[in-house]
Amino acid sequence: GAGVSQSPSNKVTEKGKDVELRCDPISGHTALYWYRQRLGQGLEFLIYFQGNSAPDKSGLPSDRFSAERTGESVSTLTIQRTQQEDSAVYLCASSLEGYTEAFFGQGTRLTVV
Amino acid sequence: QKEVEQNSGPLSVPEGAIASLNCTYSDRGSQSFFWYRQYSGKSPELIMFIYSNGDKEDGRFTAQLNKASQYVSLLIRDSQPSDSATYLCAATEDSSASKIIFGSGTRLSIRP
Repeated sequence: GAGVSQSPSNKVTEKGKDVELRCDPISGHTALYWYRQRLGQGLEFLIYFQGNSAPDKSGLPSDRFSAERTGESVSTLTIQRTQQEDSAVYLCASSLEGYTEAFFGQGTRLTVV
Repeated sequence: QKEVEQNSGPLSVPEGAIASLNCTYSDRGSQSFFWYRQYSGKSPELIMFIYSNGDKEDGRFTAQLNKASQYVSLLIRDSQPSDSATYLCAATEDSSASKIIFGSGTRLSIRP
């Protein structure tokens, strides 16, 4: 595909359930980011993958959050035992290298009820 | 903690005027700088990038970089109501990973 693809677009889940969000980066992009954006707020950095380096997990808010990436392809963000405060739009972005411009997917809107 | 700082606004500018958006960054070694526009309910989209000191112009947009002052700005000439959005400034870290760090954004409102 031409752009960053995220799925699902919308997810409603019950409090306490686990959810998995998927990101397909632009082909050939070695860098991949996950962000959380609450309503009316700025981007909150979660995790950064760059090639084969160890991921920068410094933004993950708790041990309920984890992410994986297989090589330079798909990434999944997993939230365990979801809480209402996890409700937000989760944005994925990828870039050719770490220092080049990042392109965003359309986001996954997560609602925890 | 490396940071990119922006005034959250809102910044209100009359239609047809110049909108000036400002940003400072803490990492003196940052090499690449970006401006993104985010409409309400949409994802951020890249509108400008700049790597060298000075000005870079693209249509109605001009990005300005001053590395000595660690300052980046975006000028929007002939502002239109469609320019109303949140503008995010971003800079790369000076590290082997070169992660992009985003500011929290400035909300711009163009009044007719």
